[in-house]
Formats: sequence, C-alpha cells, structure tokens
Amino acid sequence: QVQLVESGGGGVQPGRSLRLSCAASGFTFSSYGMHWVRQAPGKGLEWVAVISYDGSNKYYADSVKGRFTISRDNSKNTLYLQMNSLRDEDTAVYYCAKGRTYDYVGALEYWGQGTLVTVSS
Amino acid sequence: QSALTQPASVSGSPGQSITISCTGTSSDVGSYNLVSWYQQYPGKAPKLMIYEVTKRPSGVSNRFSGSKSGNTASLTISGLQAEDEADYYCCSHVVSSKVFGGGTKLTVL
Repeated sequence: QVQLVESGGGGVQPGRSLRLSCAASGFTFSSYGMHWVRQAPGKGLEWVAVISYDGSNKYYADSVKGRFTISRDNSKNTLYLQMNSLRDEDTAVYYCAKGRTYDYVGALEYWGQGTLVTVSS
Repeated sequence: QSALTQPASVSGSPGQSITISCTGTSSDVGSYNLVSWYQQYPGKAPKLMIYEVTKRPSGVSNRFSGSKSGNTASLTISGLQAEDEADYYCCSHVVSSKVFGGGTKLTVL
C-alpha cells in the first residue's frame, strides 16, 4: 500500500531554514509527480509546490517562490522541500502528496500524515 | 491565484442529499476538467474523493458524485451518513499549479 511519511518539521525562528523530507513506499516513486501542500492552524489547504516524475519541471505558489525549493531523489524514493527565509505565516502542517500522473496535472491521490512547522521568535 | 469559493458550511439530515459548490473563474475551473475534491477529518490528512470532475477513486462510495457547469464545480453526497461529517475542499488545476477552495464544513444533523 502507498505510504508517505514526512519528517523534518519543528520550531524555527523567522529568517532561518528548514528542510522537510517525505519518504515514499508502495508505488513506483520515479513514475509520479509529487506535491507539497500546507495547512495553517485552523485554516484551509494551500498548495505549495509540485515536481514532475523526473525532477525536470518544478512549480511553486507565489507565496513561496524564491524561498522554497522542491526536489526529489528517485534512488532514495524521497521528496524534499527546502524552506529558506522562513516567515511567521509559513507556520503550518506540511503534507506531501502523490500525484495521479507523471507530471503536475493529476489530482493528489495519496497524502502523508503531515509534519508541523512552527516559525516563531 | 485566488482561492476558489466554497460555502463555509452546509448541513443535512441522515439519508438526505447535499451539494457543495465550488466557484472559480474561466482561468481555472472553467478551463480544465481537472477539478478534484478532498475529504478531511479533524487532525487527519485529506483524502481524494473525486478527480477530473466526475471520477471516483477505487474504494470511494458511489454516494459521492461530482459535476461542473461553467466556472462552478459541485460535489453531491447522497444518502447522507454520520461518517460524512467532515471538511471538504475542492481543487482545480490552473496552468502549472493547483488552487484550493476555502473548504466547507459538512454537519450531519
């Protein structure tokens, strides 16, 4: 069965960096696009970024463009989100999600349980 | 990209049908048959319920159905059950990204 396990969350001061990881299993990781989606406490879902199956295409929400970088290591079945210049408003649970297709078009088929990032001084 | 518009809350009694609307623009919902719906229980990860406007993933009850007209997509839940009480989010593909609705809290009376 598909499993997505996020890690790397925690408390961090504004302006600092954090790297999230998402370990995937139960499917051919290298064949699917992967997404990051976040949810601020008590708020709705916000799409953050997507990477195509081979890492050749990456797209970001305007709110994180230039600060966050999505990447993947298909040899390790792992998705990453490098978050730099963190702001208070980046506080959220971050979910990784498997796309239904190889690119960035498909729906988000399976989701991890999320990892909490808290940005506060 | 602005969030899609959903009602903040809807409610219904067991056995009834409810519909949740999701209004976007001609640039997102109206341009792509790539609307999906997600169910989320408190403290849990979202679950895909509908994709490509009308399609149900394996294992999702056929009480859930989706449709679209113009810039508005809809999720209908028939034969409402207590277990359907959750938050529901629509999502549309747009160019090379995704945009979510603000979410709708479904209460089963």
